[in-house]
Amino acid sequence: GAVVSQHPSRVICKSGTSVKIECRSLDFQATTMFWYRQFPKQSLMLMATSNEGSKATYEQGVEKDKFLINHASLTLSTLTVTSAHPEDSSFYICSARDQGRGLAAYNEQFFGPGTRLTVL
Amino acid sequence: GENVEQHPSTLSVQEGDSAVIKCTYSDSASNYFPWYKQELGKRPQLIIDIRSNVGEKKDQRIAVTLNKTAKHFSLHITETQPEDSAVYFCAAIPYSSASKIIFGSGTRLSIRP
Repeated sequence: GAVVSQHPSRVICKSGTSVKIECRSLDFQATTMFWYRQFPKQSLMLMATSNEGSKATYEQGVEKDKFLINHASLTLSTLTVTSAHPEDSSFYICSARDQGRGLAAYNEQFFGPGTRLTVL
Repeated sequence: GENVEQHPSTLSVQEGDSAVIKCTYSDSASNYFPWYKQELGKRPQLIIDIRSNVGEKKDQRIAVTLNKTAKHFSLHITETQPEDSAVYFCAAIPYSSASKIIFGSGTRLSIRP
């Protein structure tokens, strides 16, 4: 149980185009999902918290108009990188918390496999 | 906000020896401290976690200790094996953060045969 998937796993696009990444909780519902970005040989940096049915909460320094997040259902959150540029090339990872597991596992999060974005 | 520092950034140990990775955190309200192992190009995998009401936790060759007063926690891997080679991240989740994970900078662990 507690599986999170991401699609696509890899994407290569031209500069100026937009790319959508999907994050799905396959066997549980998640009112909250998180989006991270990881540059080579660096740590995971939280970009935003995705909230089902409401606006996402962005971390300081993350442009909300560039990284559009939609969390329209309890099992799906999407991240759209708009007008992508080479500096947006990175490994994007989502995570979700299984709130059905109760207080004992309240903080445990499950990560998707990641999406490697390359912008040419 | 919470800040997590991790040391060392790289660690090389002989197979069979122990490895220790240390982290400090800044927010005294943090109450959950997971450790993740990440292999190249893969997702982080939770290997052990500890909550603020516990000082030590062990799972086979892996143990974690927590000192709330000093605000630091450590990962101990004993009898290291080649498959332990990976990047390890410590993390903290402040109680009031709605489960936002704040990661340390990572430790690249290499096991020498």
